Amino acid sequence: DSGVTQTPKHLITATGQRVTLRCSPRSGDLSVYWYQQSLDQGLQFLIQYYNGEERAKGNILERFSAQQFPDLHSELNLSSLELGDSALYFCASSVDPSYEQYFGPGTRLTVT
Amino acid sequence: DAKTTQPPSMDCAEGRAANLPCNHSTISGNEYVYWYRQIHSQGPQYIIHGLKNNETNEMASLIITEDRKSSTLILPHATLRDTAVYYCIVRADYGNNRLAFGKGNQVVVIP
Repeated sequence: DSGVTQTPKHLITATGQRVTLRCSPRSGDLSVYWYQQSLDQGLQFLIQYYNGEERAKGNILERFSAQQFPDLHSELNLSSLELGDSALYFCASSVDPSYEQYFGPGTRLTVT
Repeated sequence: DAKTTQPPSMDCAEGRAANLPCNHSTISGNEYVYWYRQIHSQGPQYIIHGLKNNETNEMASLIITEDRKSSTLILPHATLRDTAVYYCIVRADYGNNRLAFGKGNQVVVIP
């Protein structure tokens, strides 16, 4: 158990819908990262927050957005969902951006 | 970040040491070598990291060559639960903190 929690574990929704994935980092960790893992793309970095501020962006679509709240939990919002958005979404956290990242168990999103 | 090269797959015998190689010939002086593994579809698990000295923790040892162009992750006594995809990642210690996962090395521990 890494100490990072993600909810929900599974999510099934239809194309065009919007969903929110939630992540609670390890106690004391200020930095949160979101990654997407699909069969054809592998594990890809989406976005990073540090103490509430966006720190880095990766291959995140404009339909996706994220934020980190004052209590340091983070949410990833996915809208206008397409079949290709079906994937595992992982959240990771670290004490500081230069430290190792610890990953949560992931949310499996299925878009039908 | 520098790219890494790993074999796509390898088998290891249960109870024996497993030596997982990684090439990172374009690594820069400020880049660390990180190892993660992913068991089935679970979240990636941090194993170990190092800059130039060899490192050891409760999970594994990391041996980095003197020229830092390659490294080896050693699992001292492989168990069936070590079957996973192992990722060798090179990452700078500042600025770009993302982890760039490649295809990894599918390691199967055989009884």
